[in-house]
Amino acid sequence: GESVGLHLPTLSVQEGDNSIINCAYSNSASDYFIWYKQESGKGPQFIIDIRSNMDKRQGQRVTVLLNKTVKHLSLQIAATQPGDSAVYFCAEQYSNNQFYFGTGTSLTVIP
Amino acid sequence: NAGVMQNPRHLVRRRGQEARLRCSPMKGHSHVYWYRQLPEEGLKFMVYLQKENIIDESGMPKERFSAEFPKEGPSILRIQQVVRGDSAAYFCASSPRIGNSNQPQHFGDGTRLSIL
Repeated sequence: GESVGLHLPTLSVQEGDNSIINCAYSNSASDYFIWYKQESGKGPQFIIDIRSNMDKRQGQRVTVLLNKTVKHLSLQIAATQPGDSAVYFCAEQYSNNQFYFGTGTSLTVIP
Repeated sequence: NAGVMQNPRHLVRRRGQEARLRCSPMKGHSHVYWYRQLPEEGLKFMVYLQKENIIDESGMPKERFSAEFPKEGPSILRIQQVVRGDSAAYFCASSPRIGNSNQPQHFGDGTRLSIL
């Protein structure tokens, strides 16, 4: 499944499937991007980051893709598990050391 | 390996009272950020501080809200004369500063402020 964070804030996937969460960022000068996961009642948890001189970065079961041409960021989660159910935020950083967060996408994993 | 610590986790105040939210950054982190989050919404930046300095407070209301990060002790977000609209979750994040390299922020679990 695929979701654009701002227009489709919820995404449901079957356990074991791959998830793709998208984010459109706003500032072409942003040079650093982070994906966070937020579970209910908790603070955002760092998942993976990417700098603007890269277009892909992989972690454990997660991959972030960056397309600077269209200012688009995506998070791919392989073999989605029930524990992946959460709200996912992208954040962009300008040169002033500030972070700006997207609206978020709620991911629900169906067992 | 303590993370960012926020307290209290829950705070209830009556209209007109003061609310004080505390944040202890991760060890070695000299940058602190405060955010506000309403239910089903994203994080809204409020203020960015370094030790004894406010770097950017452009996201913080000019009245009733103040923040500090003293040389010793936690960062404090203070809300005076609270109103119902101040009810929200307030998150603190910290990051190190290593030259000009980008570093992620690490978040605490927030303080949930409820105004009666």
